[in-house]
Amino acid sequence: QPVLTQLSSGSAPLGSSVKLTCTLSSGHSSYIIAWHQQQPGKAPRFLMKLEGSGSYNKGSGVPDRFSGSSSGADRYLTISNLQSDDEADYFCETWDSSTRVFGGGTKLTVL
Amino acid sequence: QVQLQESGPGLVKPSGTLSLTCAVSGGSVSSTNWWSWVRQSPGKGLEWVGEISHAGITSYNPALKSRVTVSVDRPKNQFSLKLSSVTAADTAVYYCARATGGFDYWGQGTLVTVSS
Repeated sequence: QPVLTQLSSGSAPLGSSVKLTCTLSSGHSSYIIAWHQQQPGKAPRFLMKLEGSGSYNKGSGVPDRFSGSSSGADRYLTISNLQSDDEADYFCETWDSSTRVFGGGTKLTVL
Repeated sequence: QVQLQESGPGLVKPSGTLSLTCAVSGGSVSSTNWWSWVRQSPGKGLEWVGEISHAGITSYNPALKSRVTVSVDRPKNQFSLKLSSVTAADTAVYYCARATGGFDYWGQGTLVTVSS
């Protein structure tokens, strides 16, 4: 089954941009993933579905500041013009015919 | 806009059965989606528990498969989770979610504590 790897934490200044990475395990580099945001004490929120080509489809109401891109087995979430409420955990997710898996999540701190 | 709402007991005794229900509004459990349960232990990441398709096909996390049952009630437009023989390790916030490929709608979550 696929495995997703994320750095456990990251930080960036208010108003800047940050690029979060989710890496698919060997043999699974073509998989589609989804990015989710989880603000403190809240349920996860779907941000986007991201293909290996770099094409992505965002959820309803997700700001234009959020974008996705891909390179090989890496899937990226870029957040531009960072706001204070972007401080959250960001999880990636993927799936196949028999299972769904999550990355460990990246805790983003806005400085 | 699809909305999901979990309900069920917040406290379950060790060795008992955890039972939760997810009410779906703004969509139908008979539509072409998977209806899933995901849990999050305190301070931890997300763990997929299991799910049921619009056609009634189930799929479970292998680590929990022997204890998990997901079912659907079409007239009530809801689906349910049963997890048997629970221990303190099953204490978590349980989320229901809809999957169209990946998860695209989430419930608000409900905390279930396993304790005597």
